[in-house]
Amino acid sequence: NAGVMQNPRHLVRRRGQEARLRCSPMKGHSHVYWYRQLPEEGLKFMVYLQKENIIDESGMPKERFSAEFPKEGPSILRIQQVVRGDSAAYFCASSPQTGRGTDTQYFGPGTRLTVL
Amino acid sequence: SQKIEQNSEALNIQEGKTATLTCNYTNYSPAYLQWYRQDPGRGPVFLLLIRENEKEKRKERLKVTFDTTLKQSLFHITASQPADSATYLCALGAGSSNTGKLIFGQGTTLQVKP
Repeated sequence: NAGVMQNPRHLVRRRGQEARLRCSPMKGHSHVYWYRQLPEEGLKFMVYLQKENIIDESGMPKERFSAEFPKEGPSILRIQQVVRGDSAAYFCASSPQTGRGTDTQYFGPGTRLTVL
Repeated sequence: SQKIEQNSEALNIQEGKTATLTCNYTNYSPAYLQWYRQDPGRGPVFLLLIRENEKEKRKERLKVTFDTTLKQSLFHITASQPADSATYLCALGAGSSNTGKLIFGQGTTLQVKP
């Protein structure tokens, strides 16, 4: 049973470009969470999705950031017009059940985004 | 404002000793608390979960306590080994909103010397 997969592992973008980060949850998991880890800071919640639905996006910046989890295919975190402050490690986690938090979240290896 | 604090300083201990890591929080009423381990360049790995109505949880060499009055959790690793060297994160369940999102502390780096 493969774990949570994220790609790319490393992504370099110039200011103003778009970044697309992909996350494939563990098999059988239908709940996906995205977190961001800035240098020297802790993980910050961004968004929680179920298939085709955004459940909680309270941690998402209001502009330039969007997320989706289509019926088929991976979850995508999209950052438009990237700025240097977007440089961070972005982690995806998945859980199997109700997503009520008492379910263990399984994290992927992360995508390290560098904005030049 | 809501705050989660872990030992900001790195913790250095000798192999075989017990490591104790602290997680304090304010202005939260979490339903549960989780501890994760993170190695450099990798994602967090789940270790233990403890609910608000539980005082203590154990798993092999790991022990977690949860005091909702003191608003504190302690994480113990007994008979520590160099392989236990990593950053340890505490994470609170968001309580009443119950969407499953986790609020993480900054983490404490543990270094176990042989």
